[in-house]
Amino acid sequence: SSELTQEPAVSVAFGQTVSISCQGDSLRFYYASWYQQKPGQAPVLVVYGKNNRPSGIPDRFSGSRSGNTASLTVTGAQAEDEADYYCNSRDSSGDHVIFGGGTRLTVL
Amino acid sequence: EVHLLESGGGLVQPGRSLRLSCAASGFSFDEYAMHWVRQVSGKGLEWVSGISWNSGTIGYADSVQGRFTISRDNAKSALYLQMNNLRPEDTALYYCAKSLSEYGDYRGGIFDYWGLGTLVTVSS
Repeated sequence: SSELTQEPAVSVAFGQTVSISCQGDSLRFYYASWYQQKPGQAPVLVVYGKNNRPSGIPDRFSGSRSGNTASLTVTGAQAEDEADYYCNSRDSSGDHVIFGGGTRLTVL
Repeated sequence: EVHLLESGGGLVQPGRSLRLSCAASGFSFDEYAMHWVRQVSGKGLEWVSGISWNSGTIGYADSVQGRFTISRDNAKSALYLQMNNLRPEDTALYYCAKSLSEYGDYRGGIFDYWGLGTLVTVSS
């Protein structure tokens, strides 16, 4: 199985824009999905596919991909966006689902 | 409203077995692949296993291959995880998760609904 690598922590000033990255060989072939997890809660899907949001997810969340790197961008970060964010996708074999290690987003 | 309720967790000794269940409601269970994902306290998410809508394809993480068995009963809208030969490193919160796409293979790996999890502790 291959891996997905995320930076452990990122911070952003309130109202500013921040991108969280997810790097892995399999991302050249498969899109990443992104999940938000707040303390004591289950993860919530925020972005999937090329750049899709489930119903109820604010449009300040967007996704993109370039080469082997996927990115989640939060445009105009809000206090409630402070959380852990995980990417996931298939591994290079296509037979396993893998997660990145997670990025803790702090809104200052 | 989609609802996933896990049960069956608890304290178990190394080498013993445990069976987790997930009761699903609020959607056509028999149309979606389902998964188990676990999380060690304070750590990240780890995909454990997935099963397609009709049980036709099944996958496991290398860490549980040969010890865990996923299954489903579409008539009961239930998902299961039989865990044998448990190890201390299997200690985690186990989530049941629903795949986004109808009639999809488990490999799709996009989880649009999650349960609250059931805690498994493996310790002597």
